[in-house]
Amino acid sequence: EIVLTQSPATLSLSPGERATLSCRASQSVTNYLAWYQQKPGQAPRLLIYDASNRATGIPARFSGSGSGTDFTLTISSLEPEDFAVYYCQQRSNWPPLTFGGGTKVEIK
Amino acid sequence: EMQLLESGGDLVLPGGSLRLSCAASGFTFSNYAMSWVRQAPGEGLEWVSAISRDGGSTYFADSVKGRFTLSSDNSKNTIYLHMNSLRAEDTATYYCATRREVPGQIYYFDYWGQGTLVTVSS
Repeated sequence: EIVLTQSPATLSLSPGERATLSCRASQSVTNYLAWYQQKPGQAPRLLIYDASNRATGIPARFSGSGSGTDFTLTISSLEPEDFAVYYCQQRSNWPPLTFGGGTKVEIK
Repeated sequence: EMQLLESGGDLVLPGGSLRLSCAASGFTFSNYAMSWVRQAPGEGLEWVSAISRDGGSTYFADSVKGRFTLSSDNSKNTIYLHMNSLRAEDTATYYCATRREVPGQIYYFDYWGQGTLVTVSS
C-alpha cells in the first residue's frame, strides 16, 4: 500500500499570502495524484488531478506540480474561502486508493 | 441536476450489520463507476470500496475486505454497501462518490453525496 505523507499538518497564513502544501509518497506514483479541498460539514471537492490538471471550475490560483514521490499544491494568493483542509490522493497502485492525512490551512 | 443521495446510516452494535444505499439521479447511472469513501469523526479520508460501471468488478480496502460487499441495481440507479461484522473503527461518515467529468473512471472523485453517518457502539 502506498502511504502519502502531507506536510505541514497545519499552515497558518493570512489572506493574500501564498500557500505551499506538500505530499510525499512512499513509492513512485508517477503523476497519478489528486488534491482535494474539504470545508467543515462538507464533502471533499476535487481541485487537481494527475498532479497538475485543474478540475472543472477550479480557479487558476490553485496549481499542482510534481512527479514520482514529491508533489506540491500551491495557492498563489489565499482568498477567505480557501481556508480549509487539503488532502492528496494517489491512484497509481490500487486497490487501495490512498489519501494523505491532510493539511489544514488556517487564518493567521 | 446530478445528485447522489446516501442513506442507511445508523447506530449499530459491534458485530452487527448495516446496508448503506447511494441513490443517483440526473445522470445515466450505468455509465459511471462508483466508490465509497469514509471519514471517521475529526479524521481524514479513507477509501473503502469501488464498483465498475458495469457492476462486474468490485474492489475493497483491506480494512473491510471479507466484511463488506458492494452491489448495484441499475433499475433503481442505486448502489448498496453491505456492512457485516461491524467494529468501532468503522464509525464514520460514509460518502459515495464518482467522476462525473470522465464517466467510467473509478479512481478520482469530482462528485460526492452529502454522506451518511454510521456509528458502531454498545
